[in-house]
Amino acid sequence: GQQVMQIPQYQHVQEGEDFTTYCNSSTTLSNIQWYKQRPGGHPVFLIQLVKSGEVKKQKRLTFQFGEAKKNSSLHITATQTTDVGTYFCAGGAGGFKTIFGAGTRLFVKA
Amino acid sequence: GAGVSQSPSNKVTEKGKDVELRCDPISGHTALYWYRQSLGQGLEFLIYFQGNSAPDKSGLPSDRFSAERTGGSVSTLTIQRTQQEDSAVYLCASSLWTGMNQPQHFGDGTRLSIL
Repeated sequence: GQQVMQIPQYQHVQEGEDFTTYCNSSTTLSNIQWYKQRPGGHPVFLIQLVKSGEVKKQKRLTFQFGEAKKNSSLHITATQTTDVGTYFCAGGAGGFKTIFGAGTRLFVKA
Repeated sequence: GAGVSQSPSNKVTEKGKDVELRCDPISGHTALYWYRQSLGQGLEFLIYFQGNSAPDKSGLPSDRFSAERTGGSVSTLTIQRTQQEDSAVYLCASSLWTGMNQPQHFGDGTRLSIL
């Protein structure tokens, strides 16, 4: 079935280093959503990208949606300990269907 | 306003027992999703409800799992004859429906432990 692949599975960084997680789909997506799940918490919506090539920023977070609408990335500049958690991408696959990636777990060492 | 509410927050039961998990979505959200998340893993889609349409049950792992949504609001996920592999956090989410998938708002989940 349709899948959204997300890499890396884990990432350990030193506080202040940058971090990027990538999502790839074999098929064109209608949109891409990003969620953050803190340890012990539930996923919280961060942002949605709809347009081909779209780039959005939220403070130190930069989100991109590929030109072909098959891939996306989330980049965090100068990580902080508050960035710790799992970041999920979720691709719109037509209609209601939203396919979640497996998530990238970010560890930040102070 | 109030977010998605799930109950119970924790449930411990013996293997073979039936369990019911409840989800109260955000008022006005017509779309409701159930997911399962095992420790350290991603979100496994279980079932989706949208308004009065027939639910999408394609993610239910076995016929021991069922869900209903009464009056287009509260939903109940039922697991019959629970097995140890059913142990996980069960997350409910709701969203608006505008013809395209909208951001999902998650509840805190029910942590289910099967002894």
